[in-house]
Amino acid sequence: QKEVEQDPGPLSVPEGAIVSLNCTYSNSAFQYFMWYRQYSRKGPELLMYTYSSGNKEDGRFTAQVDKSSKYISLFIRDSQPSDSATYLCAMKIWEYGNKLVFGAGTILRVKS
Amino acid sequence: EAQVTQNPRYLITVTGKKLTVTCSQNMNHEYMSWYRQDPGLGLRQIYYSMNVEVTDKGDVPEGYKVSRKEKRNFPLILESPSPNQTSLYFCASSHGTSGRANRDTGELFFGEGSRLTVL
Repeated sequence: QKEVEQDPGPLSVPEGAIVSLNCTYSNSAFQYFMWYRQYSRKGPELLMYTYSSGNKEDGRFTAQVDKSSKYISLFIRDSQPSDSATYLCAMKIWEYGNKLVFGAGTILRVKS
Repeated sequence: EAQVTQNPRYLITVTGKKLTVTCSQNMNHEYMSWYRQDPGLGLRQIYYSMNVEVTDKGDVPEGYKVSRKEKRNFPLILESPSPNQTSLYFCASSHGTSGRANRDTGELFFGEGSRLTVL
């Protein structure tokens, strides 16, 4: 079993839809949770970052962490064609410094 | 402009022909790392370096070497490439590690990737 599970998609939605992207994990020691966005032929870029459980909102994006269920989500409101990309969840145990464990990534396509 | 630069971006080579992928960052970051990205497997860490002259294995180090002689550079060396090393490679860097919870996020900055094909 992988340490971090993420449905690879692809997920195809119409413009303006609410998108929900999810990851589950098995290691309860993870404390920091991130979402990276990767456009085609580019490197990943940090999109959202949360510590422990709870919600964090940034514009049209909301990151949610449920440590009791070992489940994290990224919601995108009013999705745009420019949101089309691969979304990677990542997490780490602080004592291990910068080592991130990544999910496989979900391909999102927003159709205009 | 703050960036991580990798070269070459694309490379086709043959089994056994040594190659080096260079990585350079201009952000004065202590931490640097190499990942490979394969469909369905996501990003997997190959090697990392906490600072100059300090390197360590990641999750998939077999068949790779690295060196960190200068802070800004972290080349990835494939001494004898094999077809199973065909992949998309990313170099990444960030500020130094710390166990303190009030440090910054430790955000990884990635290069644009190097697509390697080994025939």
